[in-house]
Formats: sequence, C-alpha cells, structure tokens
Amino acid sequence: SQQGEEDPQALSIQEGENATMNCSYKTSINNLQWYRQNSGRGLVHLILIRSNEREKHSGRLRVTLDTSKKSSSLLITASRAADTASYFCATNGGSQGNLIFGKGTKLSVKP
Amino acid sequence: NAGVTQTPKFQVLKTGQSMTLQCAQDMNHEYMSWYRQDPGMGLRLIHYSVGAGITDQGEVPNGYNVSRSTTEDFPLRLLSAAPSQTSVYFCASSYSWDKVYEQYFGPGTRLTVT
Repeated sequence: SQQGEEDPQALSIQEGENATMNCSYKTSINNLQWYRQNSGRGLVHLILIRSNEREKHSGRLRVTLDTSKKSSSLLITASRAADTASYFCATNGGSQGNLIFGKGTKLSVKP
Repeated sequence: NAGVTQTPKFQVLKTGQSMTLQCAQDMNHEYMSWYRQDPGMGLRLIHYSVGAGITDQGEVPNGYNVSRSTTEDFPLRLLSAAPSQTSVYFCASSYSWDKVYEQYFGPGTRLTVT
C-alpha cells in the first residue's frame, strides 16, 4: 500500500517560477527521500532528509519535514524547462532499507 | 561504473509464457530490489535482497521469483505471464541494507503481456 501521497498530482509553471510539491505519509519514518523521474527513464535520487532533521538544501532544492504533521515539501527554486519530470517521495520505516513510494507529482515547466 | 543495468528494455509476452528480467550492478551494493510501476500507482516493491543468498518478498510478490547467487546480479523471473503483469519494471540497488542510503535505479524494462 502507498505510504506517501504527493500533492498536487500535476503542476504546470513558467520557467523561472518556483515549484512546490507536498508529500504526506501515514506511519512513523526513519527518513524520507525525494526522487525525480524523467519520461521513460529510471528514478534519480535528489535528496534524503532524516526524521530528526527539519530542513535540508541541495542546490536549487529545499526540502522540509514536519514529523508531527507527517508531511514533507519539496521546493524547486528558479525552475528550468529541464526540471520537467515526475517527482516522488519515498519513506523508510526501518524495514531493511525498503522504501515505500508515493504516486508522484508531474511537473511541467514551460519555457 | 555502469551503475545498474537492466535487460531487455522492451519485451512482449503471450499469456502463460515465462521469462527472466536481468539486473546487474557494479557498485558492490548489498541491497537490491525490484519494483513495478503502473500508471497512477507509483512504484511498488516486488522482491528485495539484502545480500547474496538472501531474498524476501515485498508488497506485490505473487507471480514472481527471484534469486541472488552473486552480489552483482538479481534476476526477476515471471513464471507464467498474465496480462496483469503488464508494467514497467525497475531494478534498484543501495549500498547497505541496515542503514538507508539512496537507491540507484536501472533504466527499466517495459513488459507487455497479451
């Protein structure tokens, strides 16, 4: 069963704008990860945030985690057309490294 | 490093046929896993392995077998293909099983069962 649920399901913005995607999950976690998937390709890891962290940055990416609300957000600043992809959150509850993925947010960045 | 490789890229099977999806990694990763991705469903874990000789079931294991005789290879076998197994299959690996690290994904195998 899906642990994470991304919101919105689809997002369309103009190049240069910021994109925010949200993820909610159901049970306690050790960490939460975000992945990107370009059309027809495999997933690529973007960032990992541990349950005792509240915010993490990597380049134009900013991830926040609120364990009390069981939610996370991914912010992509100054988006580019190359950011067009689907974005997935994945949670780990501690069972031997297994990840549970959400259904993803499809981001479209128009030039 | 080639990373995680998968073959074939595309496959069409008839109902009842069997086949093996190949997965290999050259990063000496302990943990390997197989997912299927269906439209609107995200990725669901089929089977995983925490080391050579050790495999276990994920969320949707029925109709699939795995084995892990070496660290590098983790093939997925479809015993008797069914249309419900039409999907995109991804293999992934990770450095360790007892701590969570990022997972590295292969390019996927698109399987159609008619």
